[in-house]
Parts: sequence; structure tokens; C-alpha cells
Amino acid sequence: EVQLVESGGGLVQPGGSLRLSCAASGFTFNKYWMHWVRQGPGKGLVWVSLINSNESSSPSYADSVRGRFTISRDNAKNTVYLQMTRLRPEDTGVYYCVRNNYGPESWGQGTLVSVSS
Amino acid sequence: DVVMTQSPLSLPVTLGQPASISCRSNQSLVHSDGNTYLNWFQQRPGQSPRRLIYKVSNRGSGVPDRISGSGSGTDFTLKISRVESEDVGVFYCMQGTHWPLTFGGGTKVEI
Repeated sequence: EVQLVESGGGLVQPGGSLRLSCAASGFTFNKYWMHWVRQGPGKGLVWVSLINSNESSSPSYADSVRGRFTISRDNAKNTVYLQMTRLRPEDTGVYYCVRNNYGPESWGQGTLVSVSS
Repeated sequence: DVVMTQSPLSLPVTLGQPASISCRSNQSLVHSDGNTYLNWFQQRPGQSPRRLIYKVSNRGSGVPDRISGSGSGTDFTLKISRVESEDVGVFYCMQGTHWPLTFGGGTKVEI
């Protein structure tokens, strides 16, 4: 069974940083591209970033996070990360780690990030 | 960015009756590889999204065959042939053909 478990969320002040982690299990992690997708409070889904299976090409980012967020992965640890810097209140929301298979397929339970003073 | 427009925003449904959600894009979703990367997701209250349909009409793992997707180009539809209680929630379409990936605003299905 595919399992994706996010962690690392929390309350942070504007301008601060957080690193999210997503531990994967139940599938061959190094064969899949991975997304981060976020959802603001009471709002819809917004794609954030995508990394390919072996980091052989540059990751992709939404314009709203490019230059502030960095996606990476450690295939030895079956984990994908999202390093978030210069956080803004509008970055508040639940961040989901999602396995790619012809698009976002399997979703984690999400981790909540709150950016507020 | 490709804009995905869903209608209706809210859909009251009756158990056992059919239901349909429309999703339109402001440009063609046909990729240069010939595929059309249009997905549908359901998010039940308090849960993570679950993928229902990929590449317009392919059902995801465990998705019942009363749920179907159709369409082409810029015009797509999700149909539920007979609504069941588990079909409540918010449904989203999403395009994966053009960067960045973009979602529709969602359709709330209520019984």
C-alpha cells in the first residue's frame, strides 16, 4: 500500500523558514516523480512543485514560490523535502506530498503550515 | 497559466440519480505527445484528495465504474451515473499538459 507521511509543519513568523519532509513507503520510491500541492484554509488546491525521480533535470515550481522554496529528495531515505524560506502569510495552508503517475496520484494526509506574527 | 473553470460551483444531488460536473480550460489540453492530461479528484470532508480519473477517462485504482470522465480539447465532464452517499465532497479538475499544473476552483457536491 502506498503511504506518504508529511511532517515539519507548524507556526512560523513572516520571513521565517520551515522544512517539510515526506516519508514514502509501499512502492519503489526512486521510480516516481513527486509533487507538493497546497491548500489554503477553506480554499482550493494549488500546485507548488515537482521533482523528477532521480533529480536528473531541474525541478519545477509555481511562480508564487520560485526563488523561495526548494524541493529535493533523498532516494536512499525514501523521502522528499520542501525547504521553504521567506515565508509569507499567503503561504499558510495544508501542504500535501503527492506521488506522480500521469499527474498527481496518491496523496499524503498533509501537514499544516501557518505563517503569522 | 491555463485557467480551469468548473461548473456548477455547488451541486445538490439525489441518491440514486445521475450527476454531472463540467470543466473547461482556456486552451487546448492536448499535449505534444498526443495525450490529454486532464485529471479529476474528489476531496471528502476532512480528508485528503483522491484521484478519480486521469487522462480524461481512465479510472484510478478502486474507483467504481459508475464514475466516468469524458471530453476533449478544452471541454471535459465528470459523470456519476447513480449518486451514492460516499460521493459527497468537493470535486476538482486539474490539467497536467501545460506548466504550471492548474486546478479548477472546485464543485461542492451535497446530498
